[in-house]
Amino acid sequence: LAKTTQPISMDSYEGQEVNITCSHNNIATNDYITWYQQFPSQGPRFIIQGYKTKVTNEVASLFIPADRKSSTLSLPRVSLSDTAVYYCLVGEDTNAGKSTFGDGTTLTVKP
Amino acid sequence: DAGVIQSPRHEVTEMGQEVTLRCKPISGHNSLFWYRQTMMRGLELLIYFNNNVPIDDSGMPEDRFSAKMPNASFSTLKIQPSEPRDSAVYFCASTLGLAVYNEQFFGPGTRLTVL
Repeated sequence: LAKTTQPISMDSYEGQEVNITCSHNNIATNDYITWYQQFPSQGPRFIIQGYKTKVTNEVASLFIPADRKSSTLSLPRVSLSDTAVYYCLVGEDTNAGKSTFGDGTTLTVKP
Repeated sequence: DAGVIQSPRHEVTEMGQEVTLRCKPISGHNSLFWYRQTMMRGLELLIYFNNNVPIDDSGMPEDRFSAKMPNASFSTLKIQPSEPRDSAVYFCASTLGLAVYNEQFFGPGTRLTVL
């Protein structure tokens, strides 16, 4: 299983762009990178997923360099409601059971 | 769709008692995952099913834990006997297929407290 490393915590202010980087040096060829968001007292929620280069949806962007040994989740213009824990997962394309949640990054957005 | 449904939302029991947690996946989803979350250990995958068949239970901590999926719309996680260290939030998640690019939909969780 590819091990992931993320910062334990980050602080930001409303309206700023936040970039959270995840390191996954031993990522395998068939592995995808997935990010989840978890609010207190709720289950994790899917944010975005990618394999290489850049992926963008209505919530976030995911940047993956050519070597795929890291990835960066970008949240544009954060608000107080973006305060949550963000998890980076790396796992086999055919078996989600082989993905593991790491410690996550606690993002605190301040007014 | 109502999403993944878990019951009960909160459970307080005494050490040694049997605890049964329940999960109803999203209709049409054929993969189901049970997770446990604690401050010390984070979010751990306990067991997962595909088409009602357990695929990997290597995350189940001890023989006291068991899980079943008798049909596509229901799964249980049982702890017998329960111990204080089992106190945690237990999440159930479902997805369409095992491919990792299929989004996992999590339930609201069951907060278990074992006294």
